[in-house]
Amino acid sequence: EAGVAQSPRYKIIEKRQSVAFWCNPISGHATLYWYQQILGQGPKLLIQFQNNGVVDDSQLPKDRFSAERLKGVDSTLKIQPAKLEDSAVYLCASSLTGKANEKLLFGSGTQLSVL
Amino acid sequence: DAKTTQPTSMDCAEGRAANLPCNHSTISGNEYVYWYRQIHSQGPQYIIHGLKNNETNEMASLIITEDRKSSTLILPHATLRDTAVYYCIVRPPEGAQKLVFGQGTRLTINP
Repeated sequence: EAGVAQSPRYKIIEKRQSVAFWCNPISGHATLYWYQQILGQGPKLLIQFQNNGVVDDSQLPKDRFSAERLKGVDSTLKIQPAKLEDSAVYLCASSLTGKANEKLLFGSGTQLSVL
Repeated sequence: DAKTTQPTSMDCAEGRAANLPCNHSTISGNEYVYWYRQIHSQGPQYIIHGLKNNETNEMASLIITEDRKSSTLILPHATLRDTAVYYCIVRPPEGAQKLVFGQGTRLTINP
């Protein structure tokens, strides 16, 4: 079974530039999550999709971050403009229906460095 | 969301059982206990989850106390590859049913 695919694996940009990350969840998984993990901390949920609708984006800095999942399959997360404090690993995860008794499966993440 | 408390770090000898404790004294009756681990430079890896009963799979065993206020993850024969940060998470069954990560326990397996 193919896992959650993310690209790119690494990205280095300068502050005030824009960047986009891509995620392809496990086939058939309706729920998709984006997490941000700053060095030394646990992952923090940014946004949760159910098919192509947003379930929870309460922790997403909406002045600079945006995410979409237009066809209910793959998703992109964008930062514009980037700040130094956005340096982190951005993780994508998916689950079959999003219910509490289902495990989330994570991708390897995109490591972003903002200089 | 119910909070969890884990030791910051633990050590275990290779080949021995690693027992990782987690306190979740404010857990409600229908919240699940999940365990994930994260090896350096990788995404979190699912280990096991449970509600009331003890659970076992090919990776580990999960022991939940009768009052559900704490749990223990057991890796029966730890290897060097089990060195990772282990996260204990309580997940609500209502609303967005989010998985909220804390700081976790850094487990080091020593040869």
